[in-house]
Amino acid sequence: DAGVTQSPTHLIKTRGQQVTLRCSPKSGHDTVSWYQQALGQGPQFIFQYYEEEERQRGNFPDRFSGHQFPNYSSELNVNALLLGDSALYLCASSSTGGYKTGELFFGEGSRLTVL
Amino acid sequence: QQQVKQSPQSLIVQKGGISIINCAYENTAFDYFPWYQQFPGKGPALLIAIRPDVSEKKEGRFTISFNKSAKQFSLHIMDSQPGDSATYFCAASKGYSTLTFGKGTMLLVSP
Repeated sequence: DAGVTQSPTHLIKTRGQQVTLRCSPKSGHDTVSWYQQALGQGPQFIFQYYEEEERQRGNFPDRFSGHQFPNYSSELNVNALLLGDSALYLCASSSTGGYKTGELFFGEGSRLTVL
Repeated sequence: QQQVKQSPQSLIVQKGGISIINCAYENTAFDYFPWYQQFPGKGPALLIAIRPDVSEKKEGRFTISFNKSAKQFSLHIMDSQPGDSATYFCAASKGYSTLTFGKGTMLLVSP
């Protein structure tokens, strides 16, 4: 049973560029959340997608956008990259129903470096 | 505003000792409190979780203690092993909403 898979694992961009990160959820999961983890910090919630719609959003600017596809996979897009966007971007999946949405399963992340 | 405060920032424990990590939360609406373990280069993995209807939950060497009135919960790792060396995050959420994480505790278990 494949877990949450993310790509790419590492990437380097320059300020002002745009980046797209991809995520495939764990089998049987329909909800995808994205988190940003700065070095030495805990993950911070960016947004959550369910049924191809953004269900919740954290305190991140509109430069951060996302999409969920009919097969439940998801993309995170960041425009006009800033140095401060350098971080590990984590995708987490969960299934709806009761409190199971709290049981997040994380991928290994995409390490973004902005120069 | 940090809604989940975690301490200590780092911890060194001898093999066989007890590791204790503490968290405090502010939002009384939180009703789910998981702990995640993260190894370098990996994503966080769910270790153990508790709901506020119980004061303690034990799974193997890992125990969560929960104090609803004090709005605090803690992770105890008994008989700590070098393989437990990792960063531990407490988190909290309300129902279908998303997890709010603490800043993490870097645990080193010395052989």
